[in-house]
Amino acid sequence: AQSVSQHNHHVILSEAASLELGCNYSYGGTVNLFWYVQYPGQHLQLLLKYFSGDPLVKGIKGFEAEFIKSKFSFNLRKPSVQWSDTAEYFCAVNAYNFNKFYFGSGTKLNVKP
Amino acid sequence: GAGVSQSPSNKVTEKGKDVELRCDPISGHTALYWYRQSLGQGLEFLIYFQGNSAPDKSGLPSDRFSAERTGGSVSTLTIQRTQQEDSAVYLCASSPRDRGHSPLHFGNGTRLTVT
Repeated sequence: AQSVSQHNHHVILSEAASLELGCNYSYGGTVNLFWYVQYPGQHLQLLLKYFSGDPLVKGIKGFEAEFIKSKFSFNLRKPSVQWSDTAEYFCAVNAYNFNKFYFGSGTKLNVKP
Repeated sequence: GAGVSQSPSNKVTEKGKDVELRCDPISGHTALYWYRQSLGQGLEFLIYFQGNSAPDKSGLPSDRFSAERTGGSVSTLTIQRTQQEDSAVYLCASSPRDRGHSPLHFGNGTRLTVT
């Protein structure tokens, strides 16, 4: 079975700091990769996704993620966080043409103003 | 347009009672998923529907859990004889196609508390 690991469970940053959240998955075949965000009191929403092409993917609100196949990783980055980025972030993966999405345990990001 | 709608948003029930959770997906979305999110845990897959059929129900934790989908639209997740360990947020998501790179659209979830 596939699995997804998010190494940081809780991250606290000051505004303007740079962010990198780790995500590793276990599956040797072709995968589709996603980052979802859940703002306080809101539903999960898509931040960005990768399924083919340029391994550096840009999403909403200045977020980006890089797919490194050799490392089975899909880390999320943002050069300068804002207080409004306070949320929980989930990495997800599914095998190409399969329907089950596997999610990591999430990383809570707290940005201090 | 309307997103994925789940009801109720909160449900408190006594141990041993049955509960039904409802999901109304985005119109036209053929794929529908149920996940469970427990405190401090990731999203646990429960079941997946393509149309009205459930090709993957491998995540249902016990035979107390069942789900159905009618008319290719609304889905109901039923938990019989609820236990305290069933307390969690139950999330529904839909997707327009059965291909993996179509992202999931989530509802706000139903927070179930079993006392």
